Amino acid sequence: EDQVTQSPEALRLQEGESSSLNCSYTVSGLRGLFWYRQDPGKGPEFLFTLYSAGEEKEKERLKATLTKKESFLHITAPKPEDSATYLCAVSGGTSYGKLTFGQGTILTVHP
Amino acid sequence: EPEVTQTPSHQVTQMGQEVILRCVPISNHLYFYWYRQILGQKVEFLVSFYNNEISEKSEIFDDQFSVERPDGSNFTLKIRSTKLEDSAMYFCASSESSGRVYFGAGTRLSVL
Repeated sequence: EDQVTQSPEALRLQEGESSSLNCSYTVSGLRGLFWYRQDPGKGPEFLFTLYSAGEEKEKERLKATLTKKESFLHITAPKPEDSATYLCAVSGGTSYGKLTFGQGTILTVHP
Repeated sequence: EPEVTQTPSHQVTQMGQEVILRCVPISNHLYFYWYRQILGQKVEFLVSFYNNEISEKSEIFDDQFSVERPDGSNFTLKIRSTKLEDSAMYFCASSESSGRVYFGAGTRLSVL
């Protein structure tokens, strides 16, 4: 059974204070590791898909990296508008779109 | 930016009633999904649908649930006889064969 564990559960940062979120996973035959952003009462908003160990992707202040056991979402010089819940999910085996999600990290960025 | 559209945004129903949640996936996508998120819990996979049939379903997706693509644009989730524990956010999603899985904004289902 695929499993995803995210840490920390909650993270409070000052504006400009860089940090990283962790996603540890176990999956049989990784097809993709996904990062999403979720605002309160909204659906998950796609950020990145990573497919193999060593892969990195960047978007504005966010950078996602992947190893064989975990993924990191690095946030550089965050702003208050980056405050949200960040979700990690994996798909494995023959099930491309069947995503197994972690609990999420609630990020709060204070001005 | 293409969008998955879900209606209604909020559905209130009495226990035992049938509900239908509606979704319009992105037009050129071939794979469709339903997920749910109970308040404060993880997003959970319910079912995937491809080529007019269910390709995979979770243990949650029992005989009370069904999905249908009644025409070329809509994708629906029916809950036959709602229970209190069905109260959750229900997300529709769609994807091409690989890459991004796009989620809709969700329907909040409240079972009273």
